[in-house]
Amino acid sequence: AQSVSQHNHHVILSEAASLELGCNYSYGGTVNLFWYVQYPGQHLQLLLKYFSGDPLVKGIKGFEAEFIKSKFSFNLRKPSVQWSDTAEYFCAVNTGFQKLVFGTGTRLLVSP
Amino acid sequence: DAGVTQSPTHLIKTRGQQVTLRCSPKSGHDTVSWYQQALGQGPQFIFQYYEEEERQRGNFPDRFSGHQFPNYSSELNVNALLLGDSALYLCASSPEVVQGYGYTFGSGTRLTVV
Repeated sequence: AQSVSQHNHHVILSEAASLELGCNYSYGGTVNLFWYVQYPGQHLQLLLKYFSGDPLVKGIKGFEAEFIKSKFSFNLRKPSVQWSDTAEYFCAVNTGFQKLVFGTGTRLLVSP
Repeated sequence: DAGVTQSPTHLIKTRGQQVTLRCSPKSGHDTVSWYQQALGQGPQFIFQYYEEEERQRGNFPDRFSGHQFPNYSSELNVNALLLGDSALYLCASSPEVVQGYGYTFGSGTRLTVV
C-alpha cells in the first residue's frame, strides 16, 4: 500500500528565510506527486504536481519541488517565505486515476 | 471560490444518528471522491464515485455509504454516528479523462458528533 511521510510536523520561520519541507513516499511503480496547501479557514489548494518529465516542478506563489526517484522523495522548497505563506502543507501521491494518499501535513508559521 | 460546493458547512449530530453530506463538483468534472480529515491529520480517502458507481473504497466501515447522481453531484451518508466520526469531510472532484490532474477540493463540512 502507498504511504506518504512528512518529516516536519511544525516549522517556524522568519520572513525571507528559505523553506524546505520533506516528503517521502513508498510505492515502487509510477506515481503522480502533489503538494497541497490549506490556508487557515480555506479549502485545500493545489500548489504543484509532478506527473512526468522535468523532475523540478514549479508551482504557484514561488514554490517548487524536486522529484528524486532514487530517494522516493518530493521535497517542497521556497527561497524566501512570506507571512502569507503561513498554512498547512500536505504532500500526496496517487497512481493513475486512483485515490490520493496524503501525508499528515506540516504546519508552517512565518513570523513577520 | 473552490469550484466544488459542499453543504452544509457545519453540522452537529448526536451519537447513533445518521447524517447526509452533499457535494456539487466543479463544472466539467465527473469524478467525485470523499475524504475524512480528523484534527491534526491528513485527509483519508473514503470512496470515489464515477458514472454513478462506487469505483474505489478506502478503509472505512459500511456505515459510510454514498451516491452519485446523473448530474455528477454526490452524497455521503454516515449511519450510527460515533464520536470518532467527528471530522472535516472533504469532497474532491476531477475530470476522469485527464491523467495526473489531481483533484479540486471543496471547503468541507465540519461534522461534530456529541
